Amino acid sequence: GIQVEQSPPDLILQEGANSTLRCNFSDSVNNLQWFHQNPWGQLINLFYIPSGTKQNGRLSATTVATERYSLLYISSSQTTDSGVYFCAVDGGATNKLIFGTGTLLAVQP
Amino acid sequence: GAVVSQHPSRVICKSGTSVKIECRSLDFQATTMFWYRQFPKKSLMLMATSNEGSKATYEQGVEKDKFLINHASLTLSTLTVTSAHPEDSSFYICSADRDNTGELFFGEGSRLTVL
Repeated sequence: GIQVEQSPPDLILQEGANSTLRCNFSDSVNNLQWFHQNPWGQLINLFYIPSGTKQNGRLSATTVATERYSLLYISSSQTTDSGVYFCAVDGGATNKLIFGTGTLLAVQP
Repeated sequence: GAVVSQHPSRVICKSGTSVKIECRSLDFQATTMFWYRQFPKKSLMLMATSNEGSKATYEQGVEKDKFLINHASLTLSTLTVTSAHPEDSSFYICSADRDNTGELFFGEGSRLTVL
């Protein structure tokens, strides 16, 4: 099946810093989503982005489907950005999402 | 945005008992729902695809007799962990596909602890 790898696995930032998270996938995909899992376990939808670029406030994402990767940019990070960021892709005939390995982000004041 | 609700958020049960977790789509109809399991500090693992009006499709290695899934209506799917044992303790999360667009929305998750 499709493999989804994220980097870096862990990231520590000072408040106000910028960061880039990467998601690589092993096959062509129909859908790609980015999520933020908060400390209580809730998955928050960030972007639905099978291709192209989107922006939402301090966050933006770019997916280059032909090269099988996606990037999530976080600018001017805040302590509330802390948590685990997952990308997930759907590469098959069904629309089930396969999750990546995740990036654990800690933003320090 | 879309809202998916799970209940209960936390449950503690004795070994050997069965536990039912509900997943509801509150503001849209979902012909397909998905159940995931997450171990501490790990990623989400897809367990099964729940299809309204038909049998669920289970991923390889997931025991269908242990994890019973029912999708009786367009807004409700249930996961029943039967004869639970301590190794079934985990965080279970459901998701729903709004209008078959492919974008999934997730419930709050249910943390199961089996004593």
